[in-house]
Amino acid sequence: DTGVSQNPRHKITKRGQNVTFRCDPISEHNRLYWYRQTLGQGPEFLTYFQNEAQLEKSRLLSDRFSAERPKGSFSTLEIQRTEQGDSAMYLCASSLVTEETQYFGPGTRLLVL
Amino acid sequence: SQQGEEDPQALSIQEGENATMNCSYKTSINNLQWYRQNSGRGLVHLILIRSNEREKHSGRLRVTLDTSKKSSSLLITASRAADTASYFCATGLNNDMRFGAGTRLTVKP
Repeated sequence: DTGVSQNPRHKITKRGQNVTFRCDPISEHNRLYWYRQTLGQGPEFLTYFQNEAQLEKSRLLSDRFSAERPKGSFSTLEIQRTEQGDSAMYLCASSLVTEETQYFGPGTRLLVL
Repeated sequence: SQQGEEDPQALSIQEGENATMNCSYKTSINNLQWYRQNSGRGLVHLILIRSNEREKHSGRLRVTLDTSKKSSSLLITASRAADTASYFCATGLNNDMRFGAGTRLTVKP
């Protein structure tokens, strides 16, 4: 499968715990995006990388959230001290610099108890 | 905000009928894209239309864009039960893409 992959697909955690999600983009794609989606809503932009550089962060990305893409390939999104309001689907997408279309992974569904 | 807003929020039709969904937005855009999402899954790209284009077709999909009215429509012809999904428009400007809340389409067999 040469599409965008995300792991884990589902995560249940207790409030206050830290969680980390991984995204593997399409191999030749230099841009990688993170979105959050709550029930009944569209995806909300969180942050994006071009190669290993994090070029934009939404104000939705509080200081409990951190994203990395150390080698310009896969990316991780960490949420520290999770809160119930963090429960959502976290989507990753990738694209080429030269194209506007983003290709999405299947998402990681997070439930914070 | 350049976020698109879809209308209607929900649409229920019989198999074989056409489905039309609309998207309105507020600011300038470079392009507008439509995505489909099956329940609990990731988004699948359907079609992209650039700001200098007025209409595009892809299979049973027809997209129009009216930049003067800041609106777009997605028409699915001869709908099938498998078209049941949420459909989102996403407005693009300078590598930024913003989504609306989507239209939930149900196609009854």
